[in-house]
Amino acid sequence: IAGITQAPTSQILAAGRRMTLRCTQDMRHNAMYWYRQDLGLGLRLIHYSNTAGTTGKGEVPDGYSVSRANTDDFPLTLASAVPSQTSVYFCASSSDRRGTQYFGPGTRLLVL
Amino acid sequence: DQQVKQNSPSLSVQEGRISILNCDYTNSMFDYFLWYKKYPAEGPTFLISISSIKDKNEDGRFTVFLNKSAKHLSLHIVPSQPGDSAVYFCAASGGTSYGKLTFGQGTILTVHP
Repeated sequence: IAGITQAPTSQILAAGRRMTLRCTQDMRHNAMYWYRQDLGLGLRLIHYSNTAGTTGKGEVPDGYSVSRANTDDFPLTLASAVPSQTSVYFCASSSDRRGTQYFGPGTRLLVL
Repeated sequence: DQQVKQNSPSLSVQEGRISILNCDYTNSMFDYFLWYKKYPAEGPTFLISISSIKDKNEDGRFTVFLNKSAKHLSLHIVPSQPGDSAVYFCAASGGTSYGKLTFGQGTILTVHP
């Protein structure tokens, strides 16, 4: 593993289903982030974690939850998916809260 | 309320010429600004950043200018190359958003050979 990996690469999901997007980094970065990218809106922050064991809400947290049990992993869960959650999801990490953020390749999610 | 705005959805430039991408922000607490480049089906990659204590930062063909009084930053690419064709996002952090990036909508740059 080098950098940030995300899984799955893409997914088609029925509305109402539960889904967890996985994110793993091997850079030992303290801070991790989840963004969604929608056309014309850029990237918007969903949730973040400044260090293992802590999480915080971003700009668009509703319908999503996260956990940070260790430094490397930061999963994002959609408890009951809705079509408006159709998007491309990016995980990112940085060495500290001030540092440059490095992004994973993204997960393309389609909720029908 | 869009705190970071890129008002040009797209820009087309001839190879060898200068590309200028613009970004405006409204939050006066922002003190750190970044540019990211994104190719299709890939994650954004960091390009260049600037702190509010500077008004210019240069890295090879890429230069970022910051005008704090106008709350405006720009990315200059000289000379532009076809491989520079991508979506460019500006981002900002600072104040209550410390460590959390606020992104603009992105500008699609196309460099023609």
